Amino acid sequence: RKEVEQDPGPFNVPEGATVAFNCTYSNSASQSFFWYRQDCRKEPKLLMSVYSSGNEDGRFTAQLNRASQYISLLIRDSKLSDSATYLCVAYASGTYKYIFGTGTRLKVLA
Amino acid sequence: NAGVTQTPKFQVLKTGQSMTLQCAQDMNHEYMSWYRQDPGMGLRLIHYSVGAGITDQGEVPNGYNVSRSTTEDFPLRLLSAAPSQTSVYFCASSYRQGLETQYFGPGTRLLVL
Repeated sequence: RKEVEQDPGPFNVPEGATVAFNCTYSNSASQSFFWYRQDCRKEPKLLMSVYSSGNEDGRFTAQLNRASQYISLLIRDSKLSDSATYLCVAYASGTYKYIFGTGTRLKVLA
Repeated sequence: NAGVTQTPKFQVLKTGQSMTLQCAQDMNHEYMSWYRQDPGMGLRLIHYSVGAGITDQGEVPNGYNVSRSTTEDFPLRLLSAAPSQTSVYFCASSYRQGLETQYFGPGTRLLVL
């Protein structure tokens, strides 16, 4: 079992739709979580960090559920420019390693 | 700030050749890491460093060496290239590991024939 798991998709959604991705992690010592966005053939870029209380940045909302060991990303009012692969990342205390999920591909359709 | 830079952008090697992928950052970051990204596999950690003079192995270290003689530079050496090392390689850095986000370089696309 991978340490960080994501549904690879693709999620094909119309413009304006709301879409949600989940990501599960297996290491209960994981303490920091991030969502990255990666465009085709480009480097990953931070979308947002995920805080225990949940956090929002414009159309994007991230949630953490420690009891069930998953994090989520909600995108409201999807734009064509949101089409990308979204990577979930977990960092476990003492490991010095950021562990990436394989990514969820999103395609927003006109 | 240039951020994280990587050279070369593209490289073709023959099996058995060696080469060094360069990575540098100008943000005074303590933590640096190397990943490889293959289709369907996501980003996998090769080696990382928590500061100058300190390196350690990640998930897939075999066939690769690293060193960290300065805070700025973290080169990745392929000792004897194999077709299985055909991949996209990303270098990343963060001020400290764990609570801080990582910044990625633009990547090096490597083809081993």
